[in-house]
Amino acid sequence: SQQGEEDPQALSIQEGENATMNCSYKTSINNLQWYRQNSGRGLVHLILIRSNEREKHSGRLRVTLDTSKKSSSLLITASRAADTASYFCATDRGSTLGRLYFGRGTQLTVWP
Amino acid sequence: ETGVTQTPRHLVMGMTNKKSLKCEQHLGHNAMYWYKQSAKKPLELMFVYNFKEQTENNSVPSRFSPECPNSSHLFLHLHTLQPEDSALYLCASSPLTSGGPYEQYFGPGTRLTVT
Repeated sequence: SQQGEEDPQALSIQEGENATMNCSYKTSINNLQWYRQNSGRGLVHLILIRSNEREKHSGRLRVTLDTSKKSSSLLITASRAADTASYFCATDRGSTLGRLYFGRGTQLTVWP
Repeated sequence: ETGVTQTPRHLVMGMTNKKSLKCEQHLGHNAMYWYKQSAKKPLELMFVYNFKEQTENNSVPSRFSPECPNSSHLFLHLHTLQPEDSALYLCASSPLTSGGPYEQYFGPGTRLTVT
């Protein structure tokens, strides 16, 4: 399995619904980051949560981190068709050298 | 716009060709990365440059040759590629100061097709 490993692999919802994606990892971390990728494009950084934080908000995004379970979740509230994309979590595996380890991602489809 | 540009955006090349991918960042960052993204696979880190010095080569075949002439520019030189090298190649940059944390800023990628 990956570090991080997102689930579900694919999620399909209607506009206005909430979307929850999960990420699990195996090693200690300094921080965990979530990225978004529109089809065939580069990744865009969404939010970073440090290992000593439990929850963080940014607009319609809410990220939680449970270091005891080595897991994180990304919640997108009141989803929009424009939120359709792949979402990746990435960890640093405790390194301070800037390297990130990405999972396979969750493909989110939001239907109008 | 993330401040990281990549050219070309699309590239089709034969297995005997030589081509180069270019990445430029306008963010003042001092770390740059090359990733390979193939269908249904996680992002694969290929190379890492910190302050123009290569700090990681993730067992990448020698037909891929990186070059970092300065902190703002990164190249990936390609020669005698294989069809399985067809993928989206992503460049990213990040600051490396005060021990982190380090968000990475990605370019739009180069879609490479090897025929």
